Amino acid sequence: RKEVEQDPGPFNVPEGATVAFNCTYSNSASQSFFWYRQDCRKEPKLLMSVYSSGNEDGRFTAQLNRASQYISLLIRDSKLSDSATYLCVVHFNKFYFGSGTKLNVKP
Amino acid sequence: NAGVMQNPRHLVRRRGQEARLRCSPMKGHSHVYWYRQLPEEGLKFMVYLQKENIIDESGMPKERFSAEFPKEGPSILRIQQVVRGDSAAYFCASSPPDGVRNQPQHFGDGTRLSIL
Repeated sequence: RKEVEQDPGPFNVPEGATVAFNCTYSNSASQSFFWYRQDCRKEPKLLMSVYSSGNEDGRFTAQLNRASQYISLLIRDSKLSDSATYLCVVHFNKFYFGSGTKLNVKP
Repeated sequence: NAGVMQNPRHLVRRRGQEARLRCSPMKGHSHVYWYRQLPEEGLKFMVYLQKENIIDESGMPKERFSAEFPKEGPSILRIQQVVRGDSAAYFCASSPPDGVRNQPQHFGDGTRLSIL
């Protein structure tokens, strides 16, 4: 079983839509959680850390459910520029990356 | 620029040659990770190093690949006798020392390796 699992998508949504991604992790002792964004042929960039109480950054909301071992990312009012691959990352002794969820925002 | 520095950005080698990829971590970071990404695929973990120490090399191919992070200087990913299948983007990331919780990795721009 993979350490981190994500739906690969693609998620095709119109501009202005709300979209949510989930990610599950296998190690209940995992300590830190992050969402990264990767544009085509570029390096991954940190989008936001995920805190136990949930956190929000503008149109982006991240939540952690330790009991069910999943984290989520909600994007409101999608923009064309949100089109990218979103990577779920979990840390326990080292960083474990999901394979990414592809988002396409259409005009 | 205090970010993670990788060089070269692009590297072209002929089959059988050696490729050396360099990574200087962010200031204050003592942990370095190397990842490989084939076209249209996800990031694949290769190796995790601290200064003078390989912590986890479970993602490294058994032959031709090696990595080091010396006391002085950048981390080096070395690929000997390259083959066409080594063509990929190689990303380096760094993170602070253990015990600093909720600190993410930061990535360099990557090295695009092309094998002719």
